[in-house]
Amino acid sequence: QAVLTQPSSLSASPGASASLTCTLRSDINIGPYRMYWFQQKPGSPPQFLLRYNSDSDKHLGSGVPSRFSGSKDASANAGILLISGLQSEDEADYYCMVWHTSDWVFGGGTKLTVL
Amino acid sequence: EVQLVESGGGLVRPGESLRLSCAASGFPFNDAWMSWVRQAPGKGLEWVGRIKSKSDGETTDYAAPVKGRFTISRDDSRKTLYLQVNSLKSEDTAVYYCTTEWGSAMEHWGQGTLLTVSS
Repeated sequence: QAVLTQPSSLSASPGASASLTCTLRSDINIGPYRMYWFQQKPGSPPQFLLRYNSDSDKHLGSGVPSRFSGSKDASANAGILLISGLQSEDEADYYCMVWHTSDWVFGGGTKLTVL
Repeated sequence: EVQLVESGGGLVRPGESLRLSCAASGFPFNDAWMSWVRQAPGKGLEWVGRIKSKSDGETTDYAAPVKGRFTISRDDSRKTLYLQVNSLKSEDTAVYYCTTEWGSAMEHWGQGTLLTVSS
């Protein structure tokens, strides 16, 4: 089973909010993990969005709108990327990442469609 | 402004070798830990490996699929990161990105260089 699991796709309407999840494998407790989120549009490199561990340990990337925020759901053992006030330009692939046992590990990515 | 510019990609045959480069500017390169990340066509992101700064021992870590075949090095005087790729396989075909752990991890990325392994 993969370390990080993301739903392959998600659709949401303009102006709505989208919650993208990244679930850790059941034998790994999300508690101490910093989770990183990236956005990638076709033909472009990934762009760092934010890092989230807790409300006192978080970092929003330079130039990233405050519509993007992170959180954790301990009960689901998952990190969450929340995008509020969805815009057409938010349509992209989104990847999560953690540092796990000497490796950077990426989730498989979620394709977000805004329609 | 942070800039990372990769080069050196191309078409190579299985079993061959190549060296990719990443020229850095706009940040204290000698203090930065640097990583390579790759993306096969139509696929997700895969971490390749990283190198720490000289002050942190310049040690390297590699992902399992490339360990023993790929080598990451750096030349702080040239502000350049390298990825030596040996014994190439078709599954190594990907866009290779250079990224820095200066600031937050992977906060800055290059545009990538395409490596195609095919006979």
